[in-house]
Amino acid sequence: EADIYQTPRYLVIGTGKKITLECSQTMGHDKMYWYQQDPGMELHLIHYSYGVNSTEKGDLSSESTVSRIRTEHFPLTLESARPSHTSQYLCATAEAGAKNIQYFGAGTRLSVL
Amino acid sequence: GENVEQHPSTLSVQEGDSAVIKCTYSDSASNYFPWYKQELGKRPQLIIDIRSNVGEKKDQRIAVTLNKTAKHFSLHITETQPEDSAVYFCAAKPPQGGKLIFGQGTELSVKP
Repeated sequence: EADIYQTPRYLVIGTGKKITLECSQTMGHDKMYWYQQDPGMELHLIHYSYGVNSTEKGDLSSESTVSRIRTEHFPLTLESARPSHTSQYLCATAEAGAKNIQYFGAGTRLSVL
Repeated sequence: GENVEQHPSTLSVQEGDSAVIKCTYSDSASNYFPWYKQELGKRPQLIIDIRSNVGEKKDQRIAVTLNKTAKHFSLHITETQPEDSAVYFCAAKPPQGGKLIFGQGTELSVKP
């Protein structure tokens, strides 16, 4: 079944560590997005991509970076994690077209100590 | 750019009552308006959407209305049930690009 896979689901790390949050999709969608969300709170777009080798920064400033080398894969990297990065990170995809229905992954809950 | 305001931020109703959540948007050219439901600890999921050429859409107990002149749209839930308790997000899609602009979210509690 087509889905969006995020790993790890939970991550606890120390300050200064480099981490990569994985997002893979079997939806066959060109568009992919990363959102940062504190539990039950507003969704903040931090990065998006409309296809391979296309990445853009979102509306919320983020110290993370992304890459899109393959259509199915959109990893997010934090070079040096800080406690302020503690949050939930949601990956989403959307197919091409005007409607732009977005489908979300289950998220990665990150805690930086 | 587009800006979406959502109200109220929290809403508590008795089971069986109706609930209404309202959103206003700033870009009159926005053409697509989805609503997402996020249950506690779960991912947001699309529950209903409406395009700018339609004024109202209904799916069982939920409905969405769009007033393009006033630039606002609303989610209506009738005969609420405890399982309707969740955070609801509205969004608007500007005509250019593939981003959705989300509202701030409404936490709905349905009390048995």
